[in-house]
Amino acid sequence: EVSLVESGGGLVQPGGSLRLSCAASGVTFSSYWMSWVRQAPGKGLEWVANIKEDGSEKNYADSVKGRFTISRDNAKKSLYLQMSSLRADDTAVYYCARESWGSVLEYWGQGTLVSVSS
Amino acid sequence: EIVLTQSPDFQSVTPKEKVIITCRASQSVGYKLHWYQQKSGQSPKVLIKYASQFISGVPSRFGGSGSGTDFTLTIDSLEVEDAATYFCHQSSNLPWTFGQGTKVEIK
Repeated sequence: EVSLVESGGGLVQPGGSLRLSCAASGVTFSSYWMSWVRQAPGKGLEWVANIKEDGSEKNYADSVKGRFTISRDNAKKSLYLQMSSLRADDTAVYYCARESWGSVLEYWGQGTLVSVSS
Repeated sequence: EIVLTQSPDFQSVTPKEKVIITCRASQSVGYKLHWYQQKSGQSPKVLIKYASQFISGVPSRFGGSGSGTDFTLTIDSLEVEDAATYFCHQSSNLPWTFGQGTKVEIK
């Protein structure tokens, strides 16, 4: 059974940094693109970034470009999101998701909450 | 960026009723339109991929149709467990985008 478990969320001050992790199990992690998707409290879903199977290609939403960096370690079956220059509007639950069948978000983690506030 | 607009935003439905949710794209996404269900306090779950393709394990009362810019998610004979928010998602053009969501409440 596929399992994705996010960690690393928490309360951070505006301008601060945070690194999210997503640990995968029950899946051939290195064979799939992976995405981060976020959801502000009571709001809809916003795609944040994705990364190719071997890490050679990365894409970002304009809202995070230059501030967030997606990466992965296939040996550790882990996905990461390094977030810097955080703003209040980055407050959200951050989900990692496995892309399948050409970018369908097939499996999702349970999410980790990031709160940006002074 | 492709904007996805869902209709309606909210629907209150009696069990066994049929539910129709629409998703309109600001430009053609071909068939690269997918539907997700998110129950309260849970992460999203994919229901339909590529506009109309079924996902293993998803009840057959969920169906999808459409192509280009206009898509529909249909729930035949709504069950109590279907209370959730439903989102469409396009993977035709980066950045991937989602509809604003349709909340389905059980009367």
